[in-house]
Amino acid sequence: AIRMTQSPSSFSASTGDRVTITCRASQGISSYLAWYQQKPGKAPKLLIYAASTLQSGVPSRFSGSGSGTDFTLTISCLQSEDFATYYCQQYYSYPSFGQGTKVEIK
Amino acid sequence: EVQLVESGGGLVQPGGSLRLSCAASGFTFSSYEMNWVRQAPGKGLEWVSYISSSGSTIYYADSVKGRFTISRDNAKNSLYLQMNSLRAEDTAVYYCARASQEAGYDYWGQGTLVTVSS
Repeated sequence: AIRMTQSPSSFSASTGDRVTITCRASQGISSYLAWYQQKPGKAPKLLIYAASTLQSGVPSRFSGSGSGTDFTLTISCLQSEDFATYYCQQYYSYPSFGQGTKVEIK
Repeated sequence: EVQLVESGGGLVQPGGSLRLSCAASGFTFSSYEMNWVRQAPGKGLEWVSYISSSGSTIYYADSVKGRFTISRDNAKNSLYLQMNSLRAEDTAVYYCARASQEAGYDYWGQGTLVTVSS
């Protein structure tokens, strides 16, 4: 099974900050990586797929990069509605998710 | 509008069974692969099971293999998860999710809570 490790597990940031979340796969997954945003009590929402392709309707302040084993999600200018938990997911083989990164208000 | 609506969750005793359903609308259900994903209270997401568009290919997470059965009825636009021999660690919100071709899970239901407790 491919293990996905996100870092950090949580952090505090302010509106307007540029934030980066890292996801590392235990083996190469090419670009078969997605990022999701989840708010409390809600289903996850797809933000990015194929490591760097923005899902339709997702604001352009979100971006993704990476391939192989190392990936990043960047939010260029954090907005109030972006405070949430973010998950990476590999779909190269049997799907697996990272443990999540909670972005909290500083 | 794409909609996925889960139902069938509830409280069940350890060792019991439950069948979850996911009603799909707003898209050609028979053209899409589907998945079940769960989330234990306060925990992260865990993929549970996958079924191809025709139902001919099925995969399970090791944690549920031999106990859970995924199925679909394309004529009824419905996805199912039969859960047997339930354990306390199966307690979670269960989501059905549509898989977009090599593009992650683009639509999710609102989830249904399964609680396994005596």
